[in-house]
Amino acid sequence: DIQMTQSPSSLSASVGDRVTITCQASQDISNYLNWYQQKPGKAPKLLIYDASNLETGVPSRFSGSGSGTDFTFTISSLQPEDIATYYCQQYDNLPPDFGPGTKVDIK
Amino acid sequence: EVQLVESGGGLVQPGGSLRLSCAASGFTFSSYWMSWVRQAPGKGLEWVANIKQDGSEKYYVDSVKGRFTISRDNAKNSLYLQMNSLRAEDTAVYYCARDRFLLGPWGQGTLVTVSS
Repeated sequence: DIQMTQSPSSLSASVGDRVTITCQASQDISNYLNWYQQKPGKAPKLLIYDASNLETGVPSRFSGSGSGTDFTFTISSLQPEDIATYYCQQYDNLPPDFGPGTKVDIK
Repeated sequence: EVQLVESGGGLVQPGGSLRLSCAASGFTFSSYWMSWVRQAPGKGLEWVANIKQDGSEKYYVDSVKGRFTISRDNAKNSLYLQMNSLRAEDTAVYYCARDRFLLGPWGQGTLVTVSS
Protein backbone atom coordinates (compact mmCIF):
# COMPACT_ATOMS: atom_id res chain seq x y z
CA ASP A 1 0.00 0.00 0.00
CA ILE A 2 1.06 3.59 -0.58
CA GLN A 3 1.63 5.48 2.65
CA MET A 4 0.49 9.07 2.85
CA THR A 5 1.89 11.54 5.35
CA GLN A 6 0.80 15.11 6.06
CA SER A 7 2.42 17.96 7.91
CA PRO A 8 1.77 19.64 10.13
CA SER A 9 -0.80 17.56 11.98
CA SER A 10 -2.37 20.77 13.24
CA LEU A 11 -1.88 24.49 12.93
CA SER A 12 -3.29 27.75 14.23
CA ALA A 13 -3.27 30.84 12.07
CA SER A 14 -4.86 34.26 12.00
CA VAL A 15 -7.62 35.35 9.67
CA GLY A 16 -6.02 36.51 6.45
CA ASP A 17 -2.89 34.40 6.87
CA ARG A 18 -1.53 32.17 4.14
CA VAL A 19 -1.74 28.53 5.22
CA THR A 20 0.25 25.71 3.64
CA ILE A 21 -0.13 21.98 4.21
CA THR A 22 2.14 19.37 2.70
CA CYS A 23 1.36 15.80 1.75
CA GLN A 24 3.93 13.19 0.85
CA ALA A 25 3.39 9.81 -0.79
CA SER A 26 5.66 6.83 -0.16
CA GLN A 27 6.04 6.34 -3.92
CA ASP A 28 5.43 8.22 -7.14
CA ILE A 29 1.69 8.79 -7.62
CA SER A 30 1.97 11.22 -10.54
CA ASN A 31 -0.81 13.75 -9.99
CA TYR A 32 -3.39 11.27 -8.62
CA LEU A 33 -3.93 13.28 -5.49
CA ASN A 34 -7.07 14.87 -4.07
CA TRP A 35 -7.68 17.23 -1.15
CA TYR A 36 -10.76 17.17 1.08
CA GLN A 37 -12.10 19.48 3.74
CA GLN A 38 -14.02 18.12 6.72
CA LYS A 39 -15.68 20.63 9.01
CA PRO A 40 -16.49 19.52 12.57
CA GLY A 41 -19.43 17.14 12.64
CA LYS A 42 -19.82 17.17 8.87
CA ALA A 43 -19.03 14.92 5.95
CA PRO A 44 -15.88 15.57 3.93
CA LYS A 45 -16.00 17.71 0.83
CA LEU A 46 -13.80 17.42 -2.24
CA LEU A 47 -11.88 20.66 -2.81
CA ILE A 48 -9.09 19.82 -5.24
CA TYR A 49 -8.62 16.88 -7.59
CA ASP A 50 -5.67 15.72 -9.67
CA ALA A 51 -3.35 17.71 -7.41
CA SER A 52 -4.20 21.16 -8.71
CA ASN A 53 -7.72 21.31 -10.14
CA LEU A 54 -10.29 23.24 -8.15
CA GLU A 55 -13.64 21.51 -7.78
CA THR A 56 -16.57 23.51 -9.10
CA GLY A 57 -17.87 26.03 -6.59
CA VAL A 58 -14.81 25.95 -4.34
CA PRO A 59 -13.41 29.40 -3.51
CA SER A 60 -10.28 30.40 -5.39
CA ARG A 61 -8.34 31.00 -2.15
CA PHE A 62 -7.83 27.23 -2.11
CA SER A 63 -5.13 25.81 -4.36
CA GLY A 64 -2.99 22.74 -4.78
CA SER A 65 0.26 21.86 -6.47
CA GLY A 66 2.81 19.11 -6.82
CA SER A 67 3.40 15.82 -8.55
CA GLY A 68 5.26 12.61 -7.96
CA THR A 69 5.63 12.27 -4.20
CA ASP A 70 5.36 15.81 -2.85
CA PHE A 71 2.23 17.93 -2.80
CA THR A 72 1.14 21.22 -1.31
CA PHE A 73 -2.28 22.58 -0.37
CA THR A 74 -2.62 26.32 0.22
CA ILE A 75 -5.25 28.63 1.59
CA SER A 76 -4.16 32.05 0.38
CA SER A 77 -6.13 34.03 2.96
CA LEU A 78 -7.55 32.04 5.86
CA GLN A 79 -11.21 32.71 6.64
CA PRO A 80 -13.16 31.76 9.79
CA GLU A 81 -15.24 29.30 7.78
CA ASP A 82 -12.08 27.42 6.81
CA ILE A 83 -11.79 25.87 10.28
CA ALA A 84 -11.65 22.18 9.42
CA THR A 85 -9.47 19.14 9.03
CA TYR A 86 -7.91 18.74 5.60
CA TYR A 87 -7.05 15.36 4.12
CA CYS A 88 -5.04 14.40 1.07
CA GLN A 89 -5.92 11.18 -0.77
CA GLN A 90 -3.98 9.26 -3.40
CA TYR A 91 -5.68 7.20 -6.05
CA ASP A 92 -2.77 5.92 -8.07
CA ASN A 93 -3.09 2.50 -6.43
CA LEU A 94 -5.69 0.60 -4.48
CA PRO A 95 -6.53 1.20 -1.72
CA PRO A 96 -7.05 4.92 -2.37
CA ASP A 97 -5.73 5.86 1.07
CA PHE A 98 -6.07 9.15 2.85
CA GLY A 99 -3.42 11.04 4.73
CA PRO A 100 -3.83 11.40 8.51
CA GLY A 101 -5.24 14.91 8.22
CA THR A 102 -4.25 18.42 9.21
CA LYS A 103 -6.45 20.28 11.65
CA VAL A 104 -6.65 24.01 10.98
CA ASP A 105 -8.02 26.49 13.46
CA ILE A 106 -8.01 30.22 14.06
CA LYS A 107 -5.46 31.78 16.37
CA GLU B 1 -29.52 18.66 -6.02
CA VAL B 2 -27.37 15.61 -5.48
CA GLN B 3 -28.25 13.86 -2.25
CA LEU B 4 -26.95 10.75 -0.54
CA VAL B 5 -28.66 9.47 2.59
CA GLU B 6 -27.20 6.58 4.59
CA SER B 7 -29.19 4.41 6.97
CA GLY B 8 -28.91 1.12 8.80
CA GLY B 9 -26.30 1.92 11.41
CA GLY B 10 -26.65 1.01 15.05
CA LEU B 11 -25.27 -1.00 17.94
CA VAL B 12 -24.29 -4.58 17.20
CA GLN B 13 -22.41 -7.21 19.16
CA PRO B 14 -19.02 -8.49 18.03
CA GLY B 15 -19.53 -11.19 15.44
CA GLY B 16 -22.86 -9.75 14.40
CA SER B 17 -24.08 -8.41 11.08
CA LEU B 18 -25.49 -5.16 9.79
CA ARG B 19 -26.60 -3.90 6.39
CA LEU B 20 -26.07 -0.28 5.50
CA SER B 21 -28.03 1.45 2.77
CA CYS B 22 -27.40 4.64 0.84
CA ALA B 23 -30.26 6.25 -1.06
CA ALA B 24 -29.15 8.42 -3.95
CA SER B 25 -31.05 11.18 -5.71
CA GLY B 26 -30.43 14.16 -7.95
CA PHE B 27 -28.14 12.39 -10.42
CA THR B 28 -28.07 9.37 -12.72
CA PHE B 29 -27.03 6.79 -10.16
CA SER B 30 -26.37 4.06 -12.71
CA SER B 31 -23.70 6.21 -14.39
CA TYR B 32 -21.35 6.42 -11.42
CA TRP B 33 -19.01 4.26 -9.43
CA MET B 34 -19.96 4.44 -5.76
CA SER B 35 -17.84 4.13 -2.64
CA TRP B 36 -17.99 3.54 1.11
CA VAL B 37 -15.58 5.37 3.43
CA ARG B 38 -15.49 5.10 7.22
CA GLN B 39 -14.20 7.19 10.07
CA ALA B 40 -13.57 5.76 13.51
CA PRO B 41 -14.42 8.12 16.39
CA GLY B 42 -11.87 10.91 16.54
CA LYS B 43 -9.81 9.34 13.74
CA GLY B 44 -9.12 9.92 10.06
CA LEU B 45 -10.80 8.68 6.93
CA GLU B 46 -10.46 5.11 5.68
CA TRP B 47 -11.66 3.97 2.27
CA VAL B 48 -13.64 0.74 2.60
CA ALA B 49 -14.94 -0.36 -0.79
CA ASN B 50 -16.16 0.73 -4.19
CA ILE B 51 -18.34 -0.71 -6.94
CA LYS B 52 -18.57 -0.14 -10.67
CA GLN B 53 -21.67 1.24 -12.33
CA ASP B 54 -23.06 -2.17 -13.29
CA GLY B 55 -21.75 -3.98 -10.21
CA SER B 56 -19.28 -6.03 -12.25
CA GLU B 57 -16.21 -4.79 -10.35
CA LYS B 58 -15.88 -4.45 -6.60
CA TYR B 59 -12.83 -3.60 -4.52
CA TYR B 60 -12.24 -3.71 -0.78
CA VAL B 61 -9.68 -2.64 1.77
CA ASP B 62 -7.84 -5.71 3.06
CA SER B 63 -9.22 -5.41 6.58
CA VAL B 64 -12.81 -6.06 5.42
CA LYS B 65 -12.24 -8.57 2.62
CA GLY B 66 -14.32 -11.68 3.15
CA ARG B 67 -16.50 -9.96 5.76
CA PHE B 68 -18.07 -7.00 3.93
CA THR B 69 -19.93 -7.02 0.62
CA ILE B 70 -20.72 -3.94 -1.41
CA SER B 71 -23.67 -4.06 -3.77
CA ARG B 72 -26.07 -1.77 -5.58
CA ASP B 73 -29.56 -1.71 -7.06
CA ASN B 74 -29.65 0.76 -9.92
CA ALA B 75 -33.44 0.41 -10.24
CA LYS B 76 -33.77 1.65 -6.67
CA ASN B 77 -30.89 4.16 -6.84
CA SER B 78 -29.41 2.49 -3.82
CA LEU B 79 -26.01 1.38 -2.58
CA TYR B 80 -25.50 -1.22 0.13
CA LEU B 81 -22.82 -2.52 2.46
CA GLN B 82 -23.43 -5.90 4.04
CA MET B 83 -21.17 -6.21 7.07
CA ASN B 84 -20.67 -9.61 8.68
CA SER B 85 -18.40 -10.87 11.46
CA LEU B 86 -18.19 -7.37 12.84
CA ARG B 87 -15.33 -6.44 15.13
CA ALA B 88 -14.80 -3.65 17.62
CA GLU B 89 -12.39 -2.01 15.18
CA ASP B 90 -15.22 -1.66 12.64
CA THR B 91 -16.83 0.94 14.90
CA ALA B 92 -17.07 4.09 12.80
CA VAL B 93 -19.25 6.50 10.93
CA TYR B 94 -19.80 5.01 7.50
CA TYR B 95 -20.19 7.40 4.58
CA CYS B 96 -21.29 6.66 1.07
CA ALA B 97 -19.78 8.85 -1.63
CA ARG B 98 -20.26 9.25 -5.32
CA ASP B 99 -17.48 8.21 -7.68
CA ARG B 100 -14.59 5.79 -7.65
CA PHE B 101 -11.78 8.02 -6.48
CA LEU B 102 -12.82 11.70 -6.75
CA LEU B 103 -15.20 11.26 -3.87
CA GLY B 104 -18.02 13.72 -3.82
CA PRO B 105 -20.56 14.47 -2.75
CA TRP B 106 -20.84 12.44 0.47
CA GLY B 107 -23.79 11.46 2.60
CA GLN B 108 -24.13 12.56 6.20
CA GLY B 109 -22.94 9.20 7.48
CA THR B 110 -24.39 6.48 9.68
CA LEU B 111 -22.77 5.34 12.94
CA VAL B 112 -21.95 1.69 13.47
CA THR B 113 -20.96 0.70 16.98
CA VAL B 114 -19.64 -2.80 17.61
CA SER B 115 -19.71 -3.55 21.31
CA SER B 116 -20.95 -6.11 23.78
